[in-house]
Amino acid sequence: KNEVEQSPQNLTAQEGEFITINCSYSVGISALHWLQQHPGGGIVSLFMLSSGKKKHGRLIATINIQEKHSSLHITASHPRDSAVYICAVSGGATNKLIFGTGTLLAVQP
Amino acid sequence: EPEVTQTPSHQVTQMGQEVILRCVPISNHLYFYWYRQILGQKVEFLVSFYNNEISEKSEIFDDQFSVERPDGSNFTLKIRSTKLEDSAMYFCASSGDSSYNSPLHFGNGTRLTVT
Repeated sequence: KNEVEQSPQNLTAQEGEFITINCSYSVGISALHWLQQHPGGGIVSLFMLSSGKKKHGRLIATINIQEKHSSLHITASHPRDSAVYICAVSGGATNKLIFGTGTLLAVQP
Repeated sequence: EPEVTQTPSHQVTQMGQEVILRCVPISNHLYFYWYRQILGQKVEFLVSFYNNEISEKSEIFDDQFSVERPDGSNFTLKIRSTKLEDSAMYFCASSGDSSYNSPLHFGNGTRLTVT
């Protein structure tokens, strides 16, 4: 069983739609990360959170520590949001990341 | 904003050859990492490095792999004798410290193709 599970694996949305990507994890963590990977391959950190909720522009990330669950929301989605969104958890002495498999998001105009 | 830079962006090598992937982490960061992503798969942890030594390594990081911080700015990953299955995207990352509130910064990756 994967330590970090994401759903859905693939998501197609129309421009303007509200999008939710879910992440569940089964290990103890010190923080949960949401990352974005574009077709060129580079990885960008969107959020790191250990409790509650964070917002940056049209992106919102929430975490429920008791449920071991996090969601990433995108409001008013745009084609430029098309990318792979990856959930990862960190913990332990070295704070290494354990990655989920990612959600491929395509926002159509 | 400071960036993690990786070179080269793409490396093609023949099986059995040695390759060195290079990274320049953010200058005041203390923790350094290598991750890899085989095409179509999730990103996997390889190794973490702190205070000039390996702090943790995965089972992927066998004797064919080594890391070095030779001059206080570069952070390198060496694969001694490449295999076909080493073909992947390799990401370097750094963070200021290992506390839970220190975000990770990634480089753009080196795509390694072993033929």
